[in-house]
Amino acid sequence: EVQLVESGGGLLQPGGSLRLSCAASGFSLSSYYMNWFRQAPGKGLEWISYISSSSSVIKYADSVKGRFTTSRDNAKNSLYLQMNSLRAEDTARYYCVRGLDLWGQGTRVTVSS
Amino acid sequence: DIMMTQTPPSSPVTLGQPASISCRSSQSLVHSDGNTYLNWLHQRPGQPPRLLIYRISNRVSGVPDRFSGSGAGTDFTLRITRVEAEDVGVYYCMQSTQFPRTFGQGTRVEI
Repeated sequence: EVQLVESGGGLLQPGGSLRLSCAASGFSLSSYYMNWFRQAPGKGLEWISYISSSSSVIKYADSVKGRFTTSRDNAKNSLYLQMNSLRAEDTARYYCVRGLDLWGQGTRVTVSS
Repeated sequence: DIMMTQTPPSSPVTLGQPASISCRSSQSLVHSDGNTYLNWLHQRPGQPPRLLIYRISNRVSGVPDRFSGSGAGTDFTLRITRVEAEDVGVYYCMQSTQFPRTFGQGTRVEI
């Protein structure tokens, strides 16, 4: 089955770090650019990062630039989001997306003291 | 950043009747490659979003033909010819012409 499965979310305090993973199955991740999006509770969608198929181009939203790092391991068919210096406003469900057409179910991140 | 403005914010609809959602961008979405990267996504309650239409008017495989997209430049429209119960949820327009990618605020469609 073609799918993306995110993991690594959780509850943590402001200033903390977390690494999200996204495992792809049923297709080769190496052929696709990938995105991370997020959605705060009850809010709309926000794009946060893009990575090209070869990792040669990586882009970030200003809201996470300098704190979040996107990477991929095509050999492991996996995508990652390293999140540092987390803030309350980073509380959201984080989605891994192949291009725009295949979305995972998301993983919830809650930043609270 | 390109600002995306959707109207209406919510749309009460009647089953079997048409519906339309407008999306306006703060600047032209025509890319230097000549394409216009305006997309429509649908999110049902409790579900991840799903891409419906890309590049203004191209339906994703499996999307019913009652959905159609149109427009050019800065003004775009999503139309549903006959609303069905499964069409409820929030619809978002999103531009992928330029970074950062940006979304409209969403339009909630409810029966």
